[in-house]
Amino acid sequence: DAGVIQSPRHEVTEMGQEVTLRCKPISGHDYLFWYRQTMMRGLELLIYFNNNVPIDDSGMPEDRFSAKMPNASFSTLKIQPSEPRDSAVYFCASSNVRAGEQYFGPGTRLTVT
Amino acid sequence: GEDVEQSLFLSVREGDSSVINCTYTDSSSTYLYWYKQEPGAGLQLLTYIFSNMDMKQDQRLTVLLNKKDKHLSLRIADTQTGDSAIYFCAERRAGKLIFGQGTTLQVKP
Repeated sequence: DAGVIQSPRHEVTEMGQEVTLRCKPISGHDYLFWYRQTMMRGLELLIYFNNNVPIDDSGMPEDRFSAKMPNASFSTLKIQPSEPRDSAVYFCASSNVRAGEQYFGPGTRLTVT
Repeated sequence: GEDVEQSLFLSVREGDSSVINCTYTDSSSTYLYWYKQEPGAGLQLLTYIFSNMDMKQDQRLTVLLNKKDKHLSLRIADTQTGDSAIYFCAERRAGKLIFGQGTTLQVKP
């Protein structure tokens, strides 16, 4: 199994640009989670899906953030417009058990200048 | 409080045992987890314990659970330099995993 795949691994963009992060969960997992990690705030859950349906988006910081899961093997997290305070490492994780053990991707390091 | 709490830093010598502590919040949490994060990588599930257990051992790792005090610990025997990483505990709560802020383990040769 290839594990959770995220792309790109690194993204550098200018303030105001649109950023799209991508995730492919482990095949057969029906839960997908997006997290953000910063030194100041630690690991924050942004949103999670079950069977491609968003279940809890209470962690999404503001309307500039949106996430979709068009099918069981693909999800995107979009930031539009991006701001310097969005700079962080964004992780995707998947699970086959509700709130069970989650398997994390390698993360996307986003830098907004 | 509502946070899962861990000490931020631990330094040990190679070959010693490491003990990383965690205090969680929900006495009804059914599962508690330990994750490891190496530099530049995602979180890797190390082990977990079910709430009806007091202890779980897996090779060099021993997890101890004190439900009364809501205290969880991870003991790493014969700590190696490759164990240097950030260790996160997490509790299952309200359909999510709630993570602590992570403990950085530094292993000195």
